[in-house]
Amino acid sequence: QKEVEQNSGPLSVPEGAIASLNCTYSDRGSQSFFWYRQYSGKSPELIMSIYSNGDKEDGRFTAQLNKASQYVSLLIRDSQPSDSATYLCAVTVQAGTALIFGKGTTLSVSS
Amino acid sequence: DADVTQTPRNRITKTGKRIMLECSQTKGHDRMYWYRQDPGLGLRLIYYSFDVKDINKGEISDGYSVSRQAQAKFSLSLESAIPNQTALYFCATSRDRGHHGELFFGEGSRLTVL
Repeated sequence: QKEVEQNSGPLSVPEGAIASLNCTYSDRGSQSFFWYRQYSGKSPELIMSIYSNGDKEDGRFTAQLNKASQYVSLLIRDSQPSDSATYLCAVTVQAGTALIFGKGTTLSVSS
Repeated sequence: DADVTQTPRNRITKTGKRIMLECSQTKGHDRMYWYRQDPGLGLRLIYYSFDVKDINKGEISDGYSVSRQAQAKFSLSLESAIPNQTALYFCATSRDRGHHGELFFGEGSRLTVL
């Protein structure tokens, strides 16, 4: 059974702080990794993708990947109340044919 | 208008009834997916289709069937609904192999089975 694990939270940070979200996965063959954001009552939307070891930055978001440790993380700098949402880690499995999601981490940013 | 449209958005039904959830897309994507979301369990893949002639089971396909009527249409059926199929169902699409993890979701169909 391929698994993607995330702490469910809630993770609470003050406005302007760095939020750190973590994810581990079980399939060593996974090649592609994604972070989706889901606001309450809405559908998930893709915010970051990462395919190779190291860091990838996009605005206030940084995704980090360590395939040897089977670990993916998302850093949100200068957190804003509008970042309050559930963040879903997703990983490709089955030779890249399917995408498996973690249960999500709920982030709350207080002003 | 939404690029990925699901109907119905909300449905309440009784145990044993046949239910169909429909999904249509205007993104021109070949790949389509059905997921269900339950509180505390996250998103789980039910079925996926890479083209009209290609249908694949996901993590939790038991009790469900699908039909890919055209490139733009992918339907999910519950032949005999049961209460533990109460969930929020999402249809999603993606482009080709190089972008298959970049999913575009519909707005969801909330199904309640009494």
